[in-house]
Amino acid sequence: DGGITQSPKYLFRKEGQNVTLSCEQNLNHDAMYWYRQDPGQGLRLIYYSQIVNDFQKGDIAEGYSVSREKKESFPLTVTSAQKNPTAFYLCASKDGTGELFFGEGSRLTVL
Amino acid sequence: GQSLEQPSEVTAVEGAIVQINCTYQTSGFYGLSWYQQHDGGAPTFLSYNALDGLEETGRFSSFLSRSDSYGYLLLQELQMKDSASYFCAVRDMGNQGGKLIFGQGTELSVKP
Repeated sequence: DGGITQSPKYLFRKEGQNVTLSCEQNLNHDAMYWYRQDPGQGLRLIYYSQIVNDFQKGDIAEGYSVSREKKESFPLTVTSAQKNPTAFYLCASKDGTGELFFGEGSRLTVL
Repeated sequence: GQSLEQPSEVTAVEGAIVQINCTYQTSGFYGLSWYQQHDGGAPTFLSYNALDGLEETGRFSSFLSRSDSYGYLLLQELQMKDSASYFCAVRDMGNQGGKLIFGQGTELSVKP
C-alpha cells in the first residue's frame, strides 16, 4: 500500500544525544516536510524539501538537520543543540494538487 | 511573515452545524487548506480552496475570500466522530509555493 512510514513511533533520548527519525514514502512525491507539534499546539515547519538533494529551513530549523539523498527518504536528525526536543514529529509528502499526506508520527521524549 | 488565526476551541451538539473561521496573513498566497486531526493521530486532508467561493465535499464545505484573507470550514450534521482538531493551512508564495504553514488548530467537541 502507498503511504508515508515514520519510525520509530516512540523514542526516548538522554540529554546530549542526537537522534534520527526516519521517514519513507512510496507515493513518488517530490516534496516532503517535517513538522513539530507540541501538546495543544499547531504544526510548526522544521524543514522541507521540494526535490532530491535540495531542502530549505522552515520556521524552527535550529537544532535540527535533514538530508534528501533519495526521493523516497527524508530523515530528520534532532541534535543536542535542540533545547526542547520533546515533541510529536510529523513527516509528510505533497502531491501535485498540494495535498499533504502525513505519516503516523514519531513521539520523542527526552529523559 | 506569515500568520493564521483560528479559534482555539468550539463546542457543538450532534446534528448541528458549526463554522470554524480562519484569517491569514502571508507574503503571498497560493491557497487555503483544511486538515483534521484526531487525538494522537496523523492529520488528514479535508479540502483546498485556491479561488474565492465555496467548495463542498459531503458534510464538509470550505469557503475562501481572498480579498478578506479569510476562509472557513463548515461542518454539517455533526457526528460524535467529528470531535477532533481542525487546522487551516496556507501555501506561501516563497520558494514557488512549497512552504506550507499551519494555524494553531481549533479543537471541536461534539456533545450528544
